[in-house]
Amino acid sequence: GDSVTQMEGPVTLSEEAFLTINCTYTATGYPSLFWYVQYPGEGLQLLLKATKADDKGSNKGFEATYRKETTSFHLEKGSVQVSDSAVYFCALKRAAGNKLTFGGGTRVLVKP
Amino acid sequence: GAVVSQHPSWVICKSGTSVKIECRSLDFQATTMFWYRQFPKQSLMLMATSNEGSKATYEQGVEKDKFLINHASLTLSTLTVTSAHPEDSSFYICSAREPGGTNSPLHFGNGTRLTVT
Repeated sequence: GDSVTQMEGPVTLSEEAFLTINCTYTATGYPSLFWYVQYPGEGLQLLLKATKADDKGSNKGFEATYRKETTSFHLEKGSVQVSDSAVYFCALKRAAGNKLTFGGGTRVLVKP
Repeated sequence: GAVVSQHPSWVICKSGTSVKIECRSLDFQATTMFWYRQFPKQSLMLMATSNEGSKATYEQGVEKDKFLINHASLTLSTLTVTSAHPEDSSFYICSAREPGGTNSPLHFGNGTRLTVT
């Protein structure tokens, strides 16, 4: 079945540091890939997405590139802020499907 | 933007009682809603897909008689945990998809923390 694996947290960084959260997936066909973010006390919000190989999703300084050859969708941000402290979820959806399959989530803590 | 309201945000109940959780789409009609369960430090596990006016589709291993889902209107889906036990304690999250097909935007509620004593 479909699965998403992402690095376990917590990841603790200083402000302005570079952030990478690894995400790899297993799925048949060509799924769409997503990164969701959950800020403390809030629901999940879509951060960015990519729907086909080599697509790059970007939002709020975050980027992720759909790599079909390595089945990966790593999330990066060049300079994190304290306000980026949250839990980040990688997810996939089959092209013709309605369901999201989530990774385990990675908690990121950015210290001033 | 589109908002999904989930209520209550937390609930404590005694073992053997039933608890109802509501999920409302506030400014759009959601023909499809989803219910997830999240264990501590684990992923969101899809429990069921709820379609307005029809029976919910449950994922393998989810007891449909224990987790009753009702999607009576285009803006409301409810999850009732019947005869709750401590092992049902978890974080339950709903999501609702905007109209327009399986690629239309999906919005999440803030979740409900259920504690069964």
